[in-house]
Amino acid sequence: DAGVIQSPRHEVTEMGQEVTLRCKPISGHDYLFWYRQTMMRGLELLIYFNNNVPIDDSGMPEDRFSAKMPNASFSTLKIQPSEPRDSAVYFCASSFQGGYTFGSGTRLTVV
Amino acid sequence: GQQVMQIPQYQHVQEGEDFTTYCNSSTTLSNIQWYKQRPGGHPVFLIQLVKSGEVKKQKRLTFQFGEAKKNSSLHITATQTTDVGTYFCADDTGRRALTFGSGTRLQVQP
Repeated sequence: DAGVIQSPRHEVTEMGQEVTLRCKPISGHDYLFWYRQTMMRGLELLIYFNNNVPIDDSGMPEDRFSAKMPNASFSTLKIQPSEPRDSAVYFCASSFQGGYTFGSGTRLTVV
Repeated sequence: GQQVMQIPQYQHVQEGEDFTTYCNSSTTLSNIQWYKQRPGGHPVFLIQLVKSGEVKKQKRLTFQFGEAKKNSSLHITATQTTDVGTYFCADDTGRRALTFGSGTRLQVQP
């Protein structure tokens, strides 16, 4: 099993540009989570899905953020337009029962 | 919302010394999970505790869940340099989405 796969690993973009982060969960996992990690705020839950359906998006900072899960093997997190304060490491994680399996993360830098 | 507090924020130990991190909540925790994140890496699941007073061991790591389910601890016996990283506790608040503590960063001096 290749684990949770995220792309890209690193993204540097200019303020105002659209950014799309991608995630492929582990096959058979029915939950998918998007987290953001910063030094100041730690690990924050942004949104999570169960069987491809968004369950709770209350952690999404604002309307600039959106997430989709069109099928069981793929999810995207989009930021449009991006701002410097969005700079962080974004993790995708999936779960079936018990603990999460995290991807390696996408380090986003908005300049 | 519920907050899970972890202490200490940072600890520096000599290799061979013991280490403990504590996770506390003002409200009853549902299930506690523990994760380890190496520098530059991603969180890796260690264990889940469900029952009041539960104690689980993984080699040199001992995990405890408080009797009142309001606190948990992770104890490492005889630390090694491979233990370096940040240890997080997390509560699923009963809804499968984890709320993570602020983490304890462990540094081990060889």
